[in-house]
Amino acid sequence: DTAVSQTPKYLVTQMGNDKSIKCEQNLGHDTMYWYKQDSKKFLKIMFSYNNKELIINETVPNRFSPKSPDKAHLNLHINSLELGDSAVYFCASSQDYESSGLSTDTQYFGPGTRLTVL
Amino acid sequence: AQKITQTQPGMFVQEKEAVTLDCTYDTSDPSYGLFWYKQPSSGEMIFLIYQGSYDQQNATEGRYSLNFQKARKSANLVISASQLGDSAMYFCAMRELPDSWGKLQFGAGTQVVVTP
Repeated sequence: DTAVSQTPKYLVTQMGNDKSIKCEQNLGHDTMYWYKQDSKKFLKIMFSYNNKELIINETVPNRFSPKSPDKAHLNLHINSLELGDSAVYFCASSQDYESSGLSTDTQYFGPGTRLTVL
Repeated sequence: AQKITQTQPGMFVQEKEAVTLDCTYDTSDPSYGLFWYKQPSSGEMIFLIYQGSYDQQNATEGRYSLNFQKARKSANLVISASQLGDSAMYFCAMRELPDSWGKLQFGAGTQVVVTP
């Protein structure tokens, strides 16, 4: 039983195209996140949603639009893809974001989506 | 400014030996959480261990232990009895409270190669 799943695992596309990545979690968590891992393996948060509400929007180009249809799903749509968007995108979830502790704090990651823009 | 510093970009360790991965952090918040994740070559991010800033004891989880020195702002990961399957990239991360909205801030990672 996969806790946090993402589709697709690999995505190869041309510059200028629009693409989406889907994420689902079956952990019953309230908070979901998108992280980007660049070619140097550095991980940086992009967005966070709590109960379908956007709570973090880091300085990400507005070509990136997250959508959370329900608290178990968080999708990422990217318009007009650029070469610099090539990266691995990770979805993650946690029980909460306001309280601290092992059970509430810990973020569990999906397998990642490797996006290659040609 | 970088909040999490991992000074060892890579290291080799022999099977069955212990290895310590360094992590220092920078925060003025009294409440925060520290995490270690493992990323094998297959790419997934695997949660290993958590230490809360108010936890009195160092966290342990099987062969993983966290050497938490609050005054020095360090949270080193110790892997005992290394196995070949421990070869991976290891990331230290921090979540500050309050007002971080759950954001994890990661270090640059340490690549560990376990040799027979």
